[in-house]
Amino acid sequence: EIVLTQSPGTLCLSPGERATLSCRASQSVGSGYLGWYQQKPGQAPRLLIYGASSRATGIPGRFSGSGSGTDFTLTISRLEPEDSAVYYCQQYGSPPLTFGGGTKVEIK
Amino acid sequence: EVQLLESGGGLVQPGGCLRLSCVASGFSFWSSTMSWVRHAPGKGLERVSGITTNSDSTYYADSVKGRFTISRDNSNNTLSLQMSSLRAEDTAVYYCVKGGLGDPFEYWGQGALVTVSS
Repeated sequence: EIVLTQSPGTLCLSPGERATLSCRASQSVGSGYLGWYQQKPGQAPRLLIYGASSRATGIPGRFSGSGSGTDFTLTISRLEPEDSAVYYCQQYGSPPLTFGGGTKVEIK
Repeated sequence: EVQLLESGGGLVQPGGCLRLSCVASGFSFWSSTMSWVRHAPGKGLERVSGITTNSDSTYYADSVKGRFTISRDNSNNTLSLQMSSLRAEDTAVYYCVKGGLGDPFEYWGQGALVTVSS
């Protein structure tokens, strides 16, 4: 089983700042099948990034993903107040499909 | 517009049964791998079950194996999860999701709350 470790646990930043979220896998993620999801309280998760770096439909350009192998990053270039949420990474290339523990982004 | 509408959640006693259903629209359900993902209070996301397009392959997390059964009806665009021998630790919001092995979890339902308590 591929274990995904996300860091930091919580990120507290001001609007307009840059957020960098990390996701480290215990083994190489096959075919770059790494996704990032945003979940706000009371809502279902929303797909932001798939294939490590491709933005999903309708996702603003300030969200970008990068990385390969075992190290992946989600970057939010200029934080907006509505970006306050928990962000999860997920690998969907090797069974069992697994999620990271999440990073909470708080906007000051 | 893509929609995944779950139903069937509720309060059930330990050892009881519950069946979740999900009606899909707005995309080609028959050609989509589907999954059930749950989010327990204070915990992270867990994929509990998945099923391929023609039901020839299913997946169950160890935590639910032997107790949950996933199925689909492509003629009615419906995904189901039959849950039995429910435990307190099965308490969670259950999401119907388009996605699986090799496919990102692209669309999510609004979630169905399952509470297992006496």
